[in-house]
This record gives sequence, C-alpha cells and structure tokens, in this order.
Amino acid sequence: GENVEQHPSTLSVQEGDSAVIKCTYSDSASNYFPWYKQELGKRPQLIIDIRSNVGEKKDQRIAVTLNKTAKHFSLHITETQPEDSAVYFCAATRPGGTSYGKLTFGQGTILTVHP
Amino acid sequence: SQTIHQWPATLVQPVGSPLSLECTVEGTSNPNLYWYRQAAGRGLQLLFYSVGIGQISSEVPQNLSASRPQDRQFILSSKKLLLSDSGFYLCAWSMFTDTQYFGPGTRLTVL
Repeated sequence: GENVEQHPSTLSVQEGDSAVIKCTYSDSASNYFPWYKQELGKRPQLIIDIRSNVGEKKDQRIAVTLNKTAKHFSLHITETQPEDSAVYFCAATRPGGTSYGKLTFGQGTILTVHP
Repeated sequence: SQTIHQWPATLVQPVGSPLSLECTVEGTSNPNLYWYRQAAGRGLQLLFYSVGIGQISSEVPQNLSASRPQDRQFILSSKKLLLSDSGFYLCAWSMFTDTQYFGPGTRLTVL
C-alpha cells in the first residue's frame, strides 16, 4: 500500500519568513495530494491540493509543488503569520479500485510562527 | 452546500462501557464516509471507510466496529472500551473528487 513520509516533524520560523514542508510517497499510481491544516482541538481543514497533471499550484501565500518523477511534493508558505501556527498534514491517494478515495496521511508537521 | 455533523462533541466513559458515535452528512447523496482516530499529538489513523449503505471496510482490527444504516449516516461503536480507545474521533466524507472534508470531531476520554 501507499506510504507517505513527512518532514520536518516540527518547524519554527519568525513571522515574515517562509516555511517549507516536504512529503514523499511510495505509490507511483497516486494522483491526488491534499494538504490539511489542523489548529489545536479542531478538525483538519483542507488548505490546498494538487493533482498529478499539474506541477505547481498557488493560492495567495500558499503554494504546493509536485515532482512525480521523484515522488515528492511540498507545501510552501510565504510571509508567515502567527495565525499560520498549526499542525500541517500531507496526504496521497490513487484512483479507482478498492482504494478509491482512501487517503494516506503523513505524520504531520507542527509549525510555530514566532511574532 | 454540504455539512457534516458529529455527536457528541465530548464524551467521558469508563473502561468496559459501550460506545456509540454518530456522524451525518447533509446536502449530498451516496458519499464515501470515513472514521479516523487521532491520539493526542499524533497523526490520523483511518479506522473504517464506507462506499455505500451496509458496505464497511476495516483498516485496523480492534474492538471497534462501524455501521452505515442510512446513506448519510455513519456510526462507530464498541461493546467494551479500552483505555487505549481514548482520542479524537473524526468523521469525513468525500465524493468524486477524492477531497475529504472532516466533521468537528468527538473527543473521547476513557477512564
């Protein structure tokens, strides 16, 4: 089955700096890669996603890049703000069959943005 | 628009007691439904998923079970809770795009 590794497990940055979180996946058939943000005590919220036919996607201060050959994808947050502090999870899934829609999550990254 | 509900929001149960958590989705038909558990400070562990009424797939063998009696209702149960069952239980739904949307969660403490 799919295996997703996420690094780093913790990340501390100063407000205004950029933050990068990286994930690698094992199943070359995976084609959908979402990122979730989870604030303390709350549900994970989808912040951005990318499909395998796209190499990069941006949404304001957040971007995701995908390298299918190397089987890794990354979350980039620019101009970080204290409210970006949260746990971030990457995930991957392959299309069709009995695994349809079943996401495999990374272990999570605790991001702390210091004012 | 779609909305997902979970209840109860919090629950404190003694070891050995039964459990029933409920999840319902509004605004969509025949969604895929998922139960996850998140231990304190840990990642998301998929417990069960369902692609239709009465169709349940188990990811982790344990003392929990799931049922889907109606199209938009997903129930997580246990006959006897263990201390290790404590955690944050999240229900999620998805449709054709694979994107999963999470409910507000139930925080379960087993004492």
